[in-house]
Amino acid sequence: GAVVSQHPSRVICKSGTSVKIECRSLDFQATTMFWYRQFPKQSLMLMATSNEGSKATYEQGVEKDKFLINHASLTLSTLTVTSAHPEDSSFYICSAPTSGGAFETQYFGPGTRLLVL
Amino acid sequence: AQKVTQAQTEISVVEKEDVTLDCVYETRDTTYYLFWYKQPPSGELVFLIRRNSFDEQNEISGRYSWNFQKSTSSFNFTITASQVVDSAVYFCALSLAQGAQKLVFGQGTRLTINP
Repeated sequence: GAVVSQHPSRVICKSGTSVKIECRSLDFQATTMFWYRQFPKQSLMLMATSNEGSKATYEQGVEKDKFLINHASLTLSTLTVTSAHPEDSSFYICSAPTSGGAFETQYFGPGTRLLVL
Repeated sequence: AQKVTQAQTEISVVEKEDVTLDCVYETRDTTYYLFWYKQPPSGELVFLIRRNSFDEQNEISGRYSWNFQKSTSSFNFTITASQVVDSAVYFCALSLAQGAQKLVFGQGTRLTINP
């Protein structure tokens, strides 16, 4: 099946610093990627839709200036958590649908565990 | 708006027992997709199945089977002869066929299979 990678897998940072997370589709092109956040023992919540060549679409309640998304190419989307705080500590997961006109299954990256001290 | 409900927060059974995970969804759209994902302790989401709203045929894949009932808006997942390796959190999700195709997840069911 399609493969999506994320880097880094884990990151620990100090409060106030920025952290960049990369999401790559390894064997297919993705004009759209999705970023989800999962707090411990909770479900996945969509944060934003990353669109290649245009601005990301953010879900209600997600601060676009805090969570910067850049869809740099057809295989790469980055999420930057700016001025991170302890409450941003979470598991961040990206996904990408395989390309094609018809709906395709979304494949998820392995996730990035962020701990802000 | 779409909504997915997994009423069972945690389930614990003994190995070799059959177990059914419930999923109820809400949507006003007539065309949509339903999914089940498995999330082991490592955190990575593993795709199990996708079903479109026009296909109510039940599906079996090895020890896994899915029962899709549009009349009750349910998409239940059964594991027969459960094994310890089946222990994980299982998520049911829904996506519309049109638009951004973003997934709406249920709350998840933590399944523990005891030896």
